[in-house]
Order: sequence, then structure tokens, then C-alpha cells
Amino acid sequence: GNSVTQMEGPVTLSEEAFLTINCTYTATGYPSLFWYVQYPGEGLQLLLKATKADDKGSNKGFEATYRKETTSFHLEKGSVQVSDSAVYFCALSMVQGGSEKLVFGKGMKLTVNP
Amino acid sequence: GAVVSQHPSWVICKSGTSVKIECRSLDFQATTMFWYRQFPKQSLMLMATSNEGSKATYEQGVEKDKFLINHASLTLSTLTVTSAHPEDSSFYICSAKDPSPSAYNSPLHFGNGTRLTVT
Repeated sequence: GNSVTQMEGPVTLSEEAFLTINCTYTATGYPSLFWYVQYPGEGLQLLLKATKADDKGSNKGFEATYRKETTSFHLEKGSVQVSDSAVYFCALSMVQGGSEKLVFGKGMKLTVNP
Repeated sequence: GAVVSQHPSWVICKSGTSVKIECRSLDFQATTMFWYRQFPKQSLMLMATSNEGSKATYEQGVEKDKFLINHASLTLSTLTVTSAHPEDSSFYICSAKDPSPSAYNSPLHFGNGTRLTVT
């Protein structure tokens, strides 16, 4: 079946540190890949996405590249800020039974200290 | 921007009672809404897909009679946990799909979730 495996936290970084959150997936077919972010007290928000191999999604300084050969979609940011403290979810989207469904990873809590 | 309102944000109920959770799309009409359940340190698990005017489609292993879903209008879906037990305690999250062309790149909007505790 379809699944997403991502780094488990929690992770604590200092401001301006480099961030990588690993994400790999298993899917039949060609899924779209997403990173969602959940800030404290808020609902999940789409951070970035990629719909086909070698696509790079980017937003707010975060980047992730759809790597079909390694079935990965690692999230990176060169210099994190305190405001990046949140829970990050990797997800894939597939059409199953005629409807599009999201499959999430477990989420990783990031805390950035000043 | 588009907002999905989920209510209540937290609820405590006694074992054997029923609890209703509401999910509203505030500025768009959602023909499809999704209900997820999240256990501590686990991923969001899709419970069911709710389609306006028709029966919900439940994922394998989710009890239809236990988790009643009603999507009576284009802006409201409800999840009722019937005869709740302590093992139903969890974090429930809804999301709604905005079908408008302007939302093509980011059609899914999530509620803030509901923390259910059954004592």
C-alpha cells in the first residue's frame, strides 16, 4: 500500500541552523508529494508540493525535491527562524477508488531557539 | 483566505455518551470533506470521506455505526462519535476541499482539530 516515512522528532535547533527533515515514500503509481506545517494552535497548512519527478517545491525558504529514484522528498531550509517552530508532515496524494486521498507521515515537531 | 472552522476544539465526555464534532467551510463550498484521527506520535489516519448529499465513504477498519458522518450542506459536515469509550479518546481533524479554480494549487484546508477525551 501507499505509505510515508519521515524523521521522528522532536528536534531542537538554534536560530540560523540548517534544517533537513527526511521523508521517503512507498506508492504504486505516481503520487504527488506535499509538506504540510502545523503551527501551534493552528490547523495544517500546505507548505509546498511537487507533482512529478524532479520537481522542486519551495516556499518561505523551505525546499524539497521529488526524487523518484530514491522515493524521497526531503525538506530543507538553510537558516531556520524561531517562527519556524511547528510540526511538519510529509504526505503523498493518490487517486484511490475514484477519489484523491492524502497519506501522511507521523509528523516531526521542530523547536527553534533564539 | 479560505478557512475551515472545527468545533469544539476540545471536549470531555463520559463513557457511553455521544459527541458531535462540526466542520464548517467559512468562505467556500466544499463538496468533499475528510475526517482524520491522530493518535499521539502517530500520523493522521483518514477515517472517511464525506460527500455532500450522499453517504460517507469509510476507510477499512473504521466502524460506520460508531463514527456517524453527515454532510448535509455544502459548508457543513459533522462527525458523531456514538457510545464513546476511553479508546475513542483522540485528536480528530477535518479538512475540506475547495473546488474552485482559484484554489487549484492548494485546495485542501484543515480545521484546527478537536481533542476528545472520554472518561
